[in-house]
Amino acid sequence: DTEVTQTPKHLVMGMTNKKSLKCEQHMGHRAMYWYKQKAKKPPELMFVYSYEKLSINESVPSRFSPECPNSSLLNLHLHALQPEDSALYLCASSQGAGSSYEQYFGPGTRLTVT
Amino acid sequence: GQNIDQPTEMTATEGAIVQINCTYQTSGFNGLFWYQQHAGEAPTFLSYNVLDGLEEKGRFSSFLSRSKGYSYLLLKELQMKDSASYLCAVRDPGSGYSTLTFGKGTMLLVSP
Repeated sequence: DTEVTQTPKHLVMGMTNKKSLKCEQHMGHRAMYWYKQKAKKPPELMFVYSYEKLSINESVPSRFSPECPNSSLLNLHLHALQPEDSALYLCASSQGAGSSYEQYFGPGTRLTVT
Repeated sequence: GQNIDQPTEMTATEGAIVQINCTYQTSGFNGLFWYQQHAGEAPTFLSYNVLDGLEEKGRFSSFLSRSKGYSYLLLKELQMKDSASYLCAVRDPGSGYSTLTFGKGTMLLVSP
């Protein structure tokens, strides 16, 4: 099983809503990532979790709050988002967080903030 | 910081060979990845180079020259399904973690 799953596939939310994005992998990977991708732009790293601990936060606004409940799950909690936060949110995982591991991406959640 | 350059768009004909170039200027380097991304879908891993030379995997090959800060992805026997964006990504060793910085991607259009 080389699959990273993400739910929901699509999400529309208002600026006052609270919602969560979920990501799951069962490959035994110990590193998980959140990326944000705007249309026709490359993915931009948001967070890195290694062994369920937050390792990297790329200066992401606090309205995005990641959580790693266990080694297979990664959540992204959303609150008070802005329309410019509309994007494809990609989750990825890799065997470890070291230098030689390729990342496997999930299908993404298409988020629209109204 | 990292600066990664790729052509924005390329076109090619079914059955042909196409080479997508990527140049990078980075403060550090610990490997270069190529990913394929179809519109609206997640990136999928194609290749990884950390040493100089050519890595071949079926119809796809990737080349790296660290001294020149240069890589290319070679696609042979092009098929219509190869129409996609191809992302060059460089690993940043500074943090010790597997962080990738992506280029803007090259949109490849394969025509009959």
